[in-house]
Amino acid sequence: DAGVIQSPRHEVTEMGQEVTLRCKPISGHNSLFWYRQTMMRGLELLIYFNNNVPIDDSGMPEDRFSAKMPNASFSTLKIQPSEPRDSAVYFCASVRQGGSNEQYFGPGTRLTVT
Amino acid sequence: GEDVEQSLFLSVREGDSSVINCTYTDSSSTYLYWYKQEPGAGLQLLTYIFSNMDMKQDQRLTVLLNKKDKHLSLRIADTQTGDSAIYFCAESQIDTGRRALTFGSGTRLQVQP
Repeated sequence: DAGVIQSPRHEVTEMGQEVTLRCKPISGHNSLFWYRQTMMRGLELLIYFNNNVPIDDSGMPEDRFSAKMPNASFSTLKIQPSEPRDSAVYFCASVRQGGSNEQYFGPGTRLTVT
Repeated sequence: GEDVEQSLFLSVREGDSSVINCTYTDSSSTYLYWYKQEPGAGLQLLTYIFSNMDMKQDQRLTVLLNKKDKHLSLRIADTQTGDSAIYFCAESQIDTGRRALTFGSGTRLQVQP
C-alpha cells in the first residue's frame, strides 16, 4: 500500500500568492482529514470529509482557506491569498469508516510564506 | 471542550523503559491513540486503545488507561536510540460523531546511548 500521498512536500511562496496542497488518501478509505501543525498551536484540525462530503470545517481559519474533495481519491486545500502566518506543516490523513478510527497520515507539506 | 495534555520532555538511557504520560478531560472519549513523529516526517500510528479497556500490549509497547482519572500512558520497553522522537497522545469520540483527533502537545523522547 502506498500510504497517504501529499504534494508538494515543500512549498515556498510569497505573501499574496495562491497555494494549493494536494492529497491522495489510501485506497478504500472514505474519510479524509486536513490538519495543520505549528509550534504555537500544535496539531489542529482544519476540515474533514466523509464520502467526499465536508462534515466539519470549523477549524478552517478564514475565508482564505478552502478545501475540496471531487472524488474518493483526491483532495485539495487552497489558500488564497497566502499570508506569513499560514506558514506551517499541513498534514492529510485518511481512515476507513467504522472500526477504531485509526487515521493514517501523509508525510505533510511544509509551507513557508515570505 | 476537550483537552489533552502531556509533559514536554523525557530523557532515558538506552535499554531502560520509557513511560510517557497523557491526561485528557473529556470522559466521552471513545478511542485513545499514540502517534510517533520523527524529525521532518508525518505521524506514525503506534497503537490505540478503546475506552472500555485498561491495558493493551503490542511487542515493546504497553498502553495503560485509567478511565476514572482520565490518564493514559505509553510504556516502551528496552528503549532504543531509534525510539527518539516526539510522541503524541490523541483522542476521538466516535459515539458522539466527533471523528477528528484532538492531540496533546507532544512529548519529546530523547534516548541517550
